Amino acid sequence: EVQLVESGGGLVQPGGSLRLSCTASGFSFSSYWMSWARQAPGKGLEWVANIKQDGSEKNYVDSVKGRFTISRDNAKNSLYLQMNSLRVEDTAVYYCVKETVVVAGLDYWGQGTLVTVSS
Amino acid sequence: AIQMTQSPSSLSASVGQRVTITCRASQGIRNDLGWFQQKPGKAPKFLIYAASSLQSGVPSRFSGSGSGTDFTLTISSLQPEDFATYYCLQDYNYPRTFGQGTKVEI
Repeated sequence: EVQLVESGGGLVQPGGSLRLSCTASGFSFSSYWMSWARQAPGKGLEWVANIKQDGSEKNYVDSVKGRFTISRDNAKNSLYLQMNSLRVEDTAVYYCVKETVVVAGLDYWGQGTLVTVSS
Repeated sequence: AIQMTQSPSSLSASVGQRVTITCRASQGIRNDLGWFQQKPGKAPKFLIYAASSLQSGVPSRFSGSGSGTDFTLTISSLQPEDFATYYCLQDYNYPRTFGQGTKVEI
């Protein structure tokens, strides 16, 4: 059974930093692209970033470029999102997402971790 | 970034009714589109890929169609468990973008 468990969320002041982690199990983690997506309270979904199997390619939504960094450790079956210079508008539930080979194939999602940016 | 616009934003329907949700892209995206279902307090569930292919385990009452800029998600006979918000997602280029969502109320 595929499982994705996020951790690291919490309350942080504007301008602060936070590192999210996602531990994966139930599939060959090193064989798949992985993504982060987010959802602000009461709002819709937003794709944030993804990373290739070996970490050689990364893509970001414009609003986080230069502030967020996605990374992975295949030996630890783990995905990370380093978030710097956090803004109030980054407040959201952050989801770790497994990708599959089909188009728009975000096939497994974690339960999410809440990040609140507030003074 | 490609803008995805869903309509309607919300709808009310009865059990057994046929429901159609539309998603329009701001430019042509071939068939690089997926659909997701999200229930309150839960993570999204992957329903359809490549505009019209049903993900394994998804009931056959769900179907998708379209290509280019206009796409539809159809629920042929609405069931009580289909109460949820539905999102389209374009995977034509980065950044991937979701529609704003369509809330289906029973």
